[in-house]
Amino acid sequence: EVQLVESGGGLVQPGGSLRLSCAASGFTFSTNWMHWVRQAPGKGLVWVSRINSDGRSTNYADSVKGRFTISRDNAKNTVYLQMNSLSAEDTAVYYCATLCTSASFCWGQGTLVIVSS
Amino acid sequence: NFMLTQPHSVSESPGKTVTISCTGSSGSIASNYVQWYQQRPGSAPTTVIYEDNQRPSGVPDRFSGSIDRSSNSASLTISGLKAEDEADYYCQSYDATNRAVFGGGTQLTVL
Repeated sequence: EVQLVESGGGLVQPGGSLRLSCAASGFTFSTNWMHWVRQAPGKGLVWVSRINSDGRSTNYADSVKGRFTISRDNAKNTVYLQMNSLSAEDTAVYYCATLCTSASFCWGQGTLVIVSS
Repeated sequence: NFMLTQPHSVSESPGKTVTISCTGSSGSIASNYVQWYQQRPGSAPTTVIYEDNQRPSGVPDRFSGSIDRSSNSASLTISGLKAEDEADYYCQSYDATNRAVFGGGTQLTVL
């Protein structure tokens, strides 16, 4: 069974940084693309970033490009999201996700990031 | 940019059938698979339909998905509505660069 466990969320001041982690198990992590999806309070799901299996290819939503960096450690079965220059608009639950079928995601439980002074 | 548009909310009575639409902004919605996720308050999304019309094991056959090329839309139909179906539903597909795109979500109320 696919398990994704996010950590690293919390309260951060505007302009600050935070690194999220997602520990994966139950599948062959080193062969899967990994994604981050976020959901602002009371709002919908928004795709944030993805990384390919060996970490050499990454993509970002325009709203986070240049501020967020996705990376992975296949030896630790973990994917990361480094978030810099945070603003209130980045306040959200951040979900780690991977494809469980050819097209649909399996999700972690999410970690809440609050950007506030 | 490719977008998916859903109604903000729908409501129906227990035992009835409800359909939630998901309309693509450009291109053909049939070019990439459409998924549907159910999200209850405080929980992560779960898949109820994948690859346009496939149900994961454990999802009742009251849930079905379809594609209508003429209207460039996908639909999620839930028959025999139950109180437990009350949730937010999101459609999801991919854009031309294969990045995931989500609809804005539909709040289903079972009256």
